[in-house]
Amino acid sequence: LAKTTQPISMDSYEGQEVNITCSHNNIATNDYITWYQQFPSQGPRFIIQGYKTKVTNEVASLFIPADRKSSTLSLPRVSLSDTAVYYCLVGDLFQTGANNLFFGTGTRLTVIP
Amino acid sequence: DARVTQTPRHKVTEMGQEVTMRCQPILGHNTVFWYRQTMMQGLELLAYFRNRAPLDDSGMPKDRFSAEMPDATLATLKIQPSEPRDSAVYFCASGLGSYEQYFGPGTRLTVT
Repeated sequence: LAKTTQPISMDSYEGQEVNITCSHNNIATNDYITWYQQFPSQGPRFIIQGYKTKVTNEVASLFIPADRKSSTLSLPRVSLSDTAVYYCLVGDLFQTGANNLFFGTGTRLTVIP
Repeated sequence: DARVTQTPRHKVTEMGQEVTMRCQPILGHNTVFWYRQTMMQGLELLAYFRNRAPLDDSGMPKDRFSAEMPDATLATLKIQPSEPRDSAVYFCASGLGSYEQYFGPGTRLTVT
């Protein structure tokens, strides 16, 4: 599973768009990119997943450049309730196995009033 | 709104005791995952099942941990004997495949 690198923390004001970038230089051909959100005292929650170009759902957008060595999670007009830790995962679990699945440290997003 | 359920939500036990954590995956999901989260190590995948068969448990300490799925509605994670270093939050997740996983609320385990 490709190791990922994300910023440790980010701050944003309410109403702004937030972009969190994840680097995954060793991504393999079959790997997908998946983002999760975790609130304190809760399990992670699936946000979005993509393979290439752009994916959008009701919660976020995911931008993946042609070389796929990075990805950017975009949260439009954040609110205080978006304060959470955001994890980027890259890989195919069934190919690489449990020992290679890393959620990493994630990015702690703090939304300021 | 289908959810993964886990019991117990909290468990405090003494070192050496057996601990069993239970998970009910979302009906229809064919993959089940067990994770452990600590401040120091973050989220670690311990084991996972597909169609009730264990696919990989290489993330799990084999000498004291065991994971099973007696049927499609129940997954268990057992620690015997428990040690203080096992103190963590244990999450169960289910899904249709490996990418989109739905996590339960977790079991907070404290071993004294």
